[in-house]
Amino acid sequence: QVQLQESGPGLVKPSETLSLTCTVSSASISAYYWSWIRQPPGKGLEWIGYISNSGSTNYNPSLQSRATISEDTSKNQFSLKLTSVTAADTAVYYCARDNEYSSGTDYYYYGMDVWGQGTTVIVSS
Amino acid sequence: DIQMTQSPSTLSASVGDRVTITCRASQSISSWLAWYQQKPGKAPKVLIYKASNLESGVPSRFSGSGSGTEFTLTISSLQPDDFATYYCQQYNRYSRTFGQGTKVEI
Repeated sequence: QVQLQESGPGLVKPSETLSLTCTVSSASISAYYWSWIRQPPGKGLEWIGYISNSGSTNYNPSLQSRATISEDTSKNQFSLKLTSVTAADTAVYYCARDNEYSSGTDYYYYGMDVWGQGTTVIVSS
Repeated sequence: DIQMTQSPSTLSASVGDRVTITCRASQSISSWLAWYQQKPGKAPKVLIYKASNLESGVPSRFSGSGSGTEFTLTISSLQPDDFATYYCQQYNRYSRTFGQGTKVEI
């Protein structure tokens, strides 16, 4: 079955860049949409952004100026970079398959149906 | 931005109870709503997509309804495994937004 695994540093200094990678197995990243979601300690879920099956991206407006999602199809991975981090960016970061089907004006959405286990990132000096 | 508001934030219930959680969107989202269950220390799991479609493998005691701006998740007979936090999430072609969550506790 499809599996996702997040990886990256667990500790990032304030003002630096957070970099995470999601490795996908048993599915081609070129076939689906993929999202990053985060959850601060004790709080709810926040969608960060997605990369589509064609490589286009969209972001949460609140993070758009700092977030970049990219892909490496040769490794079947997609990545998140978040610049100028502060303590408010401390969270569990999840990657997920964002199961949207779209073709021209036709589209359908099945939800985020496969998730990684999550990785904790702490922003601290 | 489309905002999602869930109610209640916390719900106390007993095994066997019928439980209903409400999610409201700040503007119409047609039926593009998903529901998730999250247990402590675990990733969320999708229960319902397109407002009322049950994800494969999810027990039939879970159901969803609604369209436009008002949606509900119903658990017909609460089981011990159902004590968790539930999130709604809207979809449009260029963004997604989660509700703030509803914790179902004993």
